[in-house]
Amino acid sequence: ETGVTQTPRHLVMGMTNKKSLKCEQHLGHNAMYWYKQSAKKPLELMFVYSLEERVENNSVPSRFSPECPNSSHLFLHLHTLQPEDSALYLCASSQDWASGSTYNEQFFGPGTRLTVL
Amino acid sequence: KQEVTQIPAALSVPEGENLVLNCSFTDSAIYNLQWFRQDPGKGLTSLLLIQSSQREQTSGRLNASLDKSSGRSTLYIAASQPGDSATYLCAVKDGANNLFFGTGTRLTVIP
Repeated sequence: ETGVTQTPRHLVMGMTNKKSLKCEQHLGHNAMYWYKQSAKKPLELMFVYSLEERVENNSVPSRFSPECPNSSHLFLHLHTLQPEDSALYLCASSQDWASGSTYNEQFFGPGTRLTVL
Repeated sequence: KQEVTQIPAALSVPEGENLVLNCSFTDSAIYNLQWFRQDPGKGLTSLLLIQSSQREQTSGRLNASLDKSSGRSTLYIAASQPGDSATYLCAVKDGANNLFFGTGTRLTVIP
C-alpha cells in the first residue's frame, strides 16, 4: 500500500455519461497528480495540483475536469468521453510540488481502469 | 521535449538469472531518475530513485545506475525470481518538476 487510494477501480461508461474518479491520499502531501496510461504509450501527465491550486494542465480536452477540494482529495470529472479515452487513470501525490526540487518522490495509487463504449 | 526509451520492450529469463534493463533519455538536464514496478492493471511502485548527483542506488537485489552525461540508466536485478515478473518503468524528472516516463520493459521470470 502506498497511502494513495483510488475509486472506483474499474469503470465502464457510455459516451454520454457523466462520471467521476476519486483519489485520496493519507500521506499528508501537498501535491496531487492525474496521469493517463494508454496501451503501449508512456504515462501522460494530465493535471497537477499544489496546495489545492492547479499548477499544470497539459493540453487536456475539456471533457476531463479536475477538482481538488482539499489537499487530501482529488477528483477527475468525466463528461462526453470518446472511446480513445479508455485507459488506466493513475493518481499520485508528493510532499510538495516545487520547481527544481529533487526530493519530491511521487507515490501512485492503484489506478482506475476506464472503458468508454 | 524529453524522450525516454526503454529496451528491450519485453524480456523472459529463467529463474535465478541476473538481468539488466536499460533506460535512455534525450536531455541530460535532469534532477533525478526513478525506476518503478507495475503489476498488471495496477499502479506504480517506486523501486529506486537516483538523484542527479548520484551514480547508483541499491535496494536488496536491485541496483540502479545513472550516467547523466550519456543519458543512460540501468536496472540490475540479481538472482531473479518469478515474483519479479512485472513491467518496469523508468522516469526522469526535469527542472519544471515534470516526470517523463518510458513505455516500460515487461519482464517474465520463468520458474
